[in-house]
Amino acid sequence: GAGVSQSPSNKVTEKGKDVELRCDPISGHTALYWYRQSLGQGLEFLIYFQGNSAPDKSGLPSDRFSAERTGGSVSTLTIQRTQQEDSAVYLCASSIRQGGTGELFFGEGSRLTVL
Amino acid sequence: AQSVSQHNHHVILSEAASLELGCNYSYGGTVNLFWYVQYPGQHLQLLLKYFSGDPLVKGIKGFEAEFIKSKFSFNLRKPSVQWSDTAEYFCAVNNQGGKLIFGQGTELSVKP
Repeated sequence: GAGVSQSPSNKVTEKGKDVELRCDPISGHTALYWYRQSLGQGLEFLIYFQGNSAPDKSGLPSDRFSAERTGGSVSTLTIQRTQQEDSAVYLCASSIRQGGTGELFFGEGSRLTVL
Repeated sequence: AQSVSQHNHHVILSEAASLELGCNYSYGGTVNLFWYVQYPGQHLQLLLKYFSGDPLVKGIKGFEAEFIKSKFSFNLRKPSVQWSDTAEYFCAVNNQGGKLIFGQGTELSVKP
């Protein structure tokens, strides 16, 4: 597609439920990032995929969070047993180059509300 | 661990005023530095970047930033702001290992 596509754009769920957020990066982009944007917290790094290398998971806040990237393209961020503090906008970005030297192109984000 | 600090949470300026947004990072090695902007209702986009060479870099819409290695700073400047510059500005840094770390963001409000 023309840009990074994320779905759903909005998700309301009940505490304790699992959610999956999807990211479809720009075709040909080898690097893919997930960030969390909360009010007053800026962009919090979650996970980074670069090509076929093992992902950098150092930003995942707990073991309830996981992400995978299938076939080097689409990525899914899964949050298990959601908590109210998980409410945020989850942003995906992709880059044509690995190593952080390329511009990141961001999606519109998935707004998650946990009741 | 890498971290990025933006000094101002919210800046309010009148049109034609000069702008400087502070950004400091903590990492001792070679870094790549970025400023991203998020206009109201839009997604984040790149404003400018520094990899090497001239420490004064120019970006889109008249913005520039200066890398001062000794101060671990990468402040964003614009001589004369416009109402359309109202947005949230994020400084970001990586250590060439790929992971891009963002600051907390600075919200800029420009009064017409």
